[in-house]
Amino acid sequence: AQSVTQLGSHVSVSEGALVLLRCNYSSSVPPYLFWYVQYPNQGLQLLLKYTSAATLVKGINGFEAEFKKSETSFHLTKPSAHMSDAAEYFCAVSEGGYQKVTFGIGTKLQVIP
Amino acid sequence: GAGVSQTPSNKVTEKGKYVELRCDPISGHTALYWYRQSLGQGPEFLIYFQGTGAADDSGLPNDRFFAVRPEGSVSTLKIQRTERGDSAVYLCASSRHGDPEAFFGQGTRLTVV
Repeated sequence: AQSVTQLGSHVSVSEGALVLLRCNYSSSVPPYLFWYVQYPNQGLQLLLKYTSAATLVKGINGFEAEFKKSETSFHLTKPSAHMSDAAEYFCAVSEGGYQKVTFGIGTKLQVIP
Repeated sequence: GAGVSQTPSNKVTEKGKYVELRCDPISGHTALYWYRQSLGQGPEFLIYFQGTGAADDSGLPNDRFFAVRPEGSVSTLKIQRTERGDSAVYLCASSRHGDPEAFFGQGTRLTVV
């Protein structure tokens, strides 16, 4: 069975500081991994995805994530936080395809001016 | 259409009533997914359609929940004898066949009073 653990339901960073949102997964087969962002009163938007190609994945808005099989991790990073990055971020995993995606509980990112 | 459209955006119903939630996917997307997002939680998988058929309905919580997609495009999620615990945001997503990126609608917020 697949599962996702997001460490830290709330993360605060200063504007311009490094953003690090942690995600660990469990999967019985090589997984597909995703990060989604949800702005207030909006739908989920895909930031980036890992589908067994390059382990360092670059996404939109300057975000990237690195797949580390040995650590079963897929942490999301951005070198310099912007006020517009304030949102909720969800890590997600699927096994053997895209039919059934399991989401983490989400991490709310606050950016402090 | 340009994106996944869900109607209504908000629905308030009385306990015990029947409700229907509609999802209009992106044109040409053969895969369609329903998720449920309760307050403070990540989206939870309900059902996946490939074309007209439900390929995986393992996430439907009980037999009060049912979904159809009769022509392989628009889908309707049906909930009978609603309970207060059904209150949540119901999300719909669609994707092209074989594409791991799913596009989400803005959801229907269901409140059972």
